[in-house]
Amino acid sequence: RKEVEQDPGPFNVPEGATVAFNCTYSNSASQSFFWYRQDCRKEPKLLMSVYSSGNEDGRFTAQLNRASQYISLLIRDSKLSDSATYLCVVNGNEKLTFGTGTRLTIIP
Amino acid sequence: NAGVTQTPKFQVLKTGQSMTLQCAQDMNHEYMSWYRQDPGMGLRLIHYSVGAGITDQGEVPNGYNVSRSTTEDFPLRLLSAAPSQTSVYFCASSPDPGGNQPQHFGDGTRLSIL
Repeated sequence: RKEVEQDPGPFNVPEGATVAFNCTYSNSASQSFFWYRQDCRKEPKLLMSVYSSGNEDGRFTAQLNRASQYISLLIRDSKLSDSATYLCVVNGNEKLTFGTGTRLTIIP
Repeated sequence: NAGVTQTPKFQVLKTGQSMTLQCAQDMNHEYMSWYRQDPGMGLRLIHYSVGAGITDQGEVPNGYNVSRSTTEDFPLRLLSAAPSQTSVYFCASSPDPGGNQPQHFGDGTRLSIL
């Protein structure tokens, strides 16, 4: 089993729709979780950290389920500018492990 | 504040050549790391460092060396370039040597080995 697994993409979603991604992790001792965004041929950039109680940042909501070992990202009222690859990131043993990413395309 | 700076941005090498990818950060971060990103593979950790004088291997260290003589710099050396090392390389840093805080990335080095 991979350390971090993400929903396979691509997701093609109409503008204004709500979209959700899931990510599962195998290391039950992991303590820190993040979502990164990566635009084509650019470096990954932090979108948001994921906290145990769940957290929201504008149109973005992140959830953590420790019992089932998954995290999720919900994007509401999607914009064209949300088109990107979203990377799930989990820590363990002094390093962060990145998922392979889920590609999202918002369609006008 | 420059953040994480990588040089060069692009490089073409011939098989067997050696070269060093430079990475510098001005945020006084203890933790630095090198990743490679290939299509369908995601980001894979090559080497990392939790502080000056300390380095360790990641998931795919073979063919690469690193050193950390200062807090600011973390160069990645390709010993004898092979076509399988064609990739995009990202350097990243974090204030937390335990890996519990997000990392800041440089804008990458695109490397082609012929």
